[in-house]
Amino acid sequence: RKEVEQDPGPFNVPEGATVAFNCTYSNSASQSFFWYRQDCRKEPKLLMSVYSSGNEDGRFTAQLNRASQYISLLIRDSKLSDSATYLCVVNRAGNTPLVFGKGTRLSVIA
Amino acid sequence: NAGVTQTPKFQVLKTGQSMTLQCAQDMNHNSMYWYRQDPGMGLRLIYYSASEGTTDKGEVPNGYNVSRLNKREFSLRLESAAPSQTSVYFCASWGQGAHGFGNTEAFFGQGTRLTVV
Repeated sequence: RKEVEQDPGPFNVPEGATVAFNCTYSNSASQSFFWYRQDCRKEPKLLMSVYSSGNEDGRFTAQLNRASQYISLLIRDSKLSDSATYLCVVNRAGNTPLVFGKGTRLSVIA
Repeated sequence: NAGVTQTPKFQVLKTGQSMTLQCAQDMNHNSMYWYRQDPGMGLRLIYYSASEGTTDKGEVPNGYNVSRLNKREFSLRLESAAPSQTSVYFCASWGQGAHGFGNTEAFFGQGTRLTVV
């Protein structure tokens, strides 16, 4: 089983839709969780960190469920500019390297 | 601008040629990484360096070597390139943003698109 798993999609949604991505992780020692966004042929960039209490940044909401070992990302009122690949990222602790999911591709259609 | 600088952006090699990908960061981060990204495979860790003077193998280290020259620089070397090494390579560092402020996160270079023919 891969350490971080995501549904690869693609998710094709109309503008204005709400879309949710889930990600599961296998290592219960994981401590830090992130969502990164990657545009075509570009480097990944941090979208948001995921905190135990959940966190919101504008149209984006991230949730963490430690008991079930999954992370979610909710995008409300989708924009064309949200089209990208969303990467779930997990860090175990200290100097251990980040582990990336394969990403979920989102296409927002006019 | 502060960040991760990766060179070159594009490279074509013939099978058997060697090359070094350069990476430098100016955010005083201890941890640096090299990933490769292939279609449908996501980002896979090649090597990482938790601090100056240390390097460790990642998920796919075969065919690669690395050097952590100093705190700023972490290079990736292909001694004898193979077509299977055709990929996009990303260097990253882990820590806070410029001047020690902001989120702790991974900062990426712009990537090197390598083709081995």
